[in-house]
Order: sequence, then structure tokens, then C-alpha cells
Amino acid sequence: DADVTQTPRNRITKTGKRIMLECSQTKGHDRMYWYRQDPGLGLRLIYYSFDVKDINKGEISDGYSVSRQAQAKFSLSLESAIPNQTALYFCATSDFQINANTGELFFGEGSRLTVL
Amino acid sequence: KNQVEQSPQSLIILEGKNCTLQCNYTVSPFSNLRWYKQDTGRGPVSLTIMTFSENTKSNGRYTATLDADTKQSSLHITASQLSDSASYICVVSAAGGFKTIFGAGTRLFVKA
Repeated sequence: DADVTQTPRNRITKTGKRIMLECSQTKGHDRMYWYRQDPGLGLRLIYYSFDVKDINKGEISDGYSVSRQAQAKFSLSLESAIPNQTALYFCATSDFQINANTGELFFGEGSRLTVL
Repeated sequence: KNQVEQSPQSLIILEGKNCTLQCNYTVSPFSNLRWYKQDTGRGPVSLTIMTFSENTKSNGRYTATLDADTKQSSLHITASQLSDSASYICVVSAAGGFKTIFGAGTRLFVKA
């Protein structure tokens, strides 16, 4: 089994629908992230969480919300999906490293979302 | 503005040949730089990490270099294999607060 599991892997939905993408991890990491990947652009951070009671906005959080249900689970919600939220979404985890701002990111397989 | 720019956008090489991918960054203050490999339909996987004091690091056929003065990094792939076909992403982290900037990646195609 993968260390970082995302569900669903593919989803097609319509404008205005509520969508939840789920992420679970078995790496035991405290830090979890949601990124969005669009063609020709670098991954962009949507939200991140450094522990269960910590939620932080990333650079493109508008239109998204998250929930950290447990150390191992971090879900991303689109309350009312719109077509420009069509993208590949990645969940990632990392461990804290004293001598580095960020540790290695471990990514899930991605969730491809299409909003019609 | 913190930015990471990679070149070329895409590259086609023959199996067995070498290639070098470039990454220029303006992220400041610098903490570390990582190269990730992303196979089609998969999540990125880290290849190397480089900190300010390191200028070369190897991982098998992959060798990364870092010039912190010119804010440039390169990833050299030796004796390419078909399985090297992937996107290679340069990721730079800033010190003092959570800030990690991803490049758009270089798409490498290795042909038989």
C-alpha cells in the first residue's frame, strides 16, 4: 500500500457541486499539505497543517477549505466547484527537520478533478 | 518576488546520452533546493537535496550542482534510460518561515 493515499483518483463533477478529496498517510508525519498542479505551472500550495490543531492558508486558498481529522487524515473541500478548479491535486506529507525549513515532501498519487 | 525558473521546458534525447537540466531561483533567504522526479500519472519523488554549503551531490546517475552565489542549480543525468522519461521539478525553500517554491518542471523524453 502507498504511504500517502488519495481518494478519489479521478472525479468529474459539475459547476456548483461540493467536492471532497481525501488524503490519508501511514508515514507518521505531523505535517500535511494540499497542492494543485496545472499544466505549465509549478505546484501551488492550497493549505497546510503542521499538526492536528493547526490549519494554514497557502497561496491559493480561495474557494477551498480543509479539515485535519487526525494526524493521518487531511481532506480538501471545494464548497461550490467552478471550471477553473479543474486540475491535478496532490496531498503531501513531511517530517519536521531542525536544520532545514522543510523536510522532504512525500506525495500521494494525485486526484484529477474535472469541473464541467 | 520568490521565483524558480527551469529550462528547457522539454527535452528529447536518445537512450544512453547525457543531459543537463537547469534551475534558476530568486528565493531569499535560501534554505535548501531539492530536485524531484515526477513520472506521468504519479506524484513527485525527491532525488536530491542541497543546502547552502553543498555544491555537488549525486544519486546514482543523477548529479545535482548548486551555485549559491549565482542562484543556479543543474541536474545532470548520465547514460539516460527509457525510465528517465519524466518531469523533473526544482523546488527551493526559503529560511525563516514556511515558503517553498516549485518550478514548472522540465519534461524529459528518452527515446530508444
